[in-house]
Amino acid sequence: KQEVTQIPAALSVPEGENLVLNCSFTDSAIYNLQWFRQDPGKGLTSLLLIQSSQREQTSGRLNASLDKSSGRSTLYIAASQPGDSATYLCAVRKYSGAGSYQLTFGKGTKLSVIP
Amino acid sequence: GAGVSQTPSNKVTEKGKYVELRCDPISGHTALYWYRQSLGQGPEFLIYFQGTGAADDSGLPNDRFFAVRPEGSVSTLKIQRTERGDSAVYLCASSLSSGGYEQYFGPGTRLTVT
Repeated sequence: KQEVTQIPAALSVPEGENLVLNCSFTDSAIYNLQWFRQDPGKGLTSLLLIQSSQREQTSGRLNASLDKSSGRSTLYIAASQPGDSATYLCAVRKYSGAGSYQLTFGKGTKLSVIP
Repeated sequence: GAGVSQTPSNKVTEKGKYVELRCDPISGHTALYWYRQSLGQGPEFLIYFQGTGAADDSGLPNDRFFAVRPEGSVSTLKIQRTERGDSAVYLCASSLSSGGYEQYFGPGTRLTVT
């Protein structure tokens, strides 16, 4: 059974700092990996999706890397801002039959950026 | 364009009651997923629909949970004889088709069983 672990569980940084969030997964036979942001009481917003054949994806101040063979992904946030404060979730997608590509999520990293 | 919508946003019910949670996916999306997120946890897969049929219901915890999608658009998650342990946020996601397409999530329904 696929397990996804995110470290750290919580992180507090001063504004302007660069930071890295970590995600590891036990089964490397994934289709792709997705990073989400979740604000309190809200749904999930997709940040970056990395296909299994890719090594990294970038969007603005965000960069996500994927090392499928070692079961690891990182999300790098440059020049953090208070508006980046949220919970960041990593999810891996694997084909589970009958056309189903269900996501398996980690528990998330709660990020606080202090002004 | 309109995203995934879910109603109600909050639902409080007494133990033993029946509840229905509704999901309205993005227009044209044929794949629909339900997830459940307990406090402090990541979302957990419940069921997947491709069109009208439940292609994968391996995540449903027991037979008190059931979901339908009769016309291949709106879906309803039904929970019978609710228990306090069912309290969670129920999230719905849709994607363009089956396959590894990106899933777009709704805001969720927060269910509280008292």
